[in-house]
Amino acid sequence: DAKTTQPPSMDCAEGRAANLPCNHSTISGNEYVYWYRQIHSQGPQYIIHGLKNNETNEMASLIITEDRKSSTLILPHATLRDTAVYYCIVRAPSSGSARQLTFGSGTQLTVLP
Amino acid sequence: GAGVSQSPSNKVTEKGKDVELRCDPISGHTALYWYRQSLGQGLEFLIYFQGNSAPDKSGLPSDRFSAERTGGSVSTLTIQRTQQEDSAVYLCASSLGHSDEQFFGPGTRLTVL
Repeated sequence: DAKTTQPPSMDCAEGRAANLPCNHSTISGNEYVYWYRQIHSQGPQYIIHGLKNNETNEMASLIITEDRKSSTLILPHATLRDTAVYYCIVRAPSSGSARQLTFGSGTQLTVLP
Repeated sequence: GAGVSQSPSNKVTEKGKDVELRCDPISGHTALYWYRQSLGQGLEFLIYFQGNSAPDKSGLPSDRFSAERTGGSVSTLTIQRTQQEDSAVYLCASSLGHSDEQFFGPGTRLTVL
């Protein structure tokens, strides 16, 4: 799986959009970009994933650059409950073998009141 | 809809005792993972079940650890003769087939005194 680079921490005002960047300059053509988050004392939570088109779901939007070397996770209206460590992962599709997750250090997002 | 559930949520045991941790995956999910996470650390993969295939046990740290999955649904992780270094949060995740979107349970916090 390709390596990713994220800022260690970010702050965001409550109600504002949180934009979390991720660099993955060595991404391969068949690798997807996944985002998970982990709120303190809880298990990791899947957020969204994409290949090359921008994606949106009820939690967030994912913007992937045209060259696919970076992406941005957008939480459109951050709340205090969005305070968590956010992990960007790049992975090729599963071929049936174990697909255990490996998180890097992620970005600690703190939403401020 | 029910997510992944785990029990107990907390377990305190004495060194040398055996413990059993239970995971109920999302109904219909054929893939099941066990991880553990020590305080402030990343995910450590333990074992993977996929359908009726032989489990991938490559992450089990010692022969004191074992897991089974009955009927392709509920899974039990057993730790024999617990040691203090086994203290961690044990997380279970399930996914639909080979999908890489893993859905995590709340974890079991194990403390070995």
